[in-house]
Amino acid sequence: GAVVSQHPSWVICKSGTSVKIECRSLDFQATTMFWYRQFPKQSLMLMATSNEGSKATYEQGVEKDKFLINHASLTLSTLTVTSAHPEDSSFYICSAPLARDGTYEQYFGPGTRLTVT
Amino acid sequence: AQSVTQPDIHITVSEGASLELRCNYSYGATPYLFWYVQSPGQGLQLLLKYFSGDTLVQGIKGFEAEFKRSQSSFNLRKPSVHWSDAAEYFCAVQIKAAGNKLTFGGGTRVLVKP
Repeated sequence: GAVVSQHPSWVICKSGTSVKIECRSLDFQATTMFWYRQFPKQSLMLMATSNEGSKATYEQGVEKDKFLINHASLTLSTLTVTSAHPEDSSFYICSAPLARDGTYEQYFGPGTRLTVT
Repeated sequence: AQSVTQPDIHITVSEGASLELRCNYSYGATPYLFWYVQSPGQGLQLLLKYFSGDTLVQGIKGFEAEFKRSQSSFNLRKPSVHWSDAAEYFCAVQIKAAGNKLTFGGGTRVLVKP
């Protein structure tokens, strides 16, 4: 159990276009999901917290108008990169927490590699 | 704010040898501590976690980690590595008061020599 999927696994888009990435918790519900960005050979940086039924909470320095997050249901969060530019090329990873053994364990999706040309 | 440091960017170890990955955190209290592994093309997988109790924690794939409060450390160990252990390893802290967000260390890439 506790599987998180992401779609697509990779996407190439042209500069100036928008791309949507989906994150789904397949066998559990998540009122909160997290979006991370990972540059090559670097660590994961938290971008935002997606909240079901309310606005997302963005980390300092993350442009909320560029990275639109919608938590449409208890099993789906989407990240839309608007007006993408080459510098937005990165590996985007989502996670969903599940209560286990007195704490919350994060279950991660396999990631989406975005390349903007 | 909390921070996590993994001093070793790369570690090369021979197959069958022991492995230790270092992790230090900075936070006023004891956070929840995690070790994850990321293999190419795969998502992050939880190896083990600590939030209270016995300071020596056993995880999956033969890994263990020891929490040392006095040193603010949570080092990961494996007695005998396998070629399949070659991957990127991340230490992370979670602060309940911060909405259970994870803060990751920079990661350590482990290479296994035959």
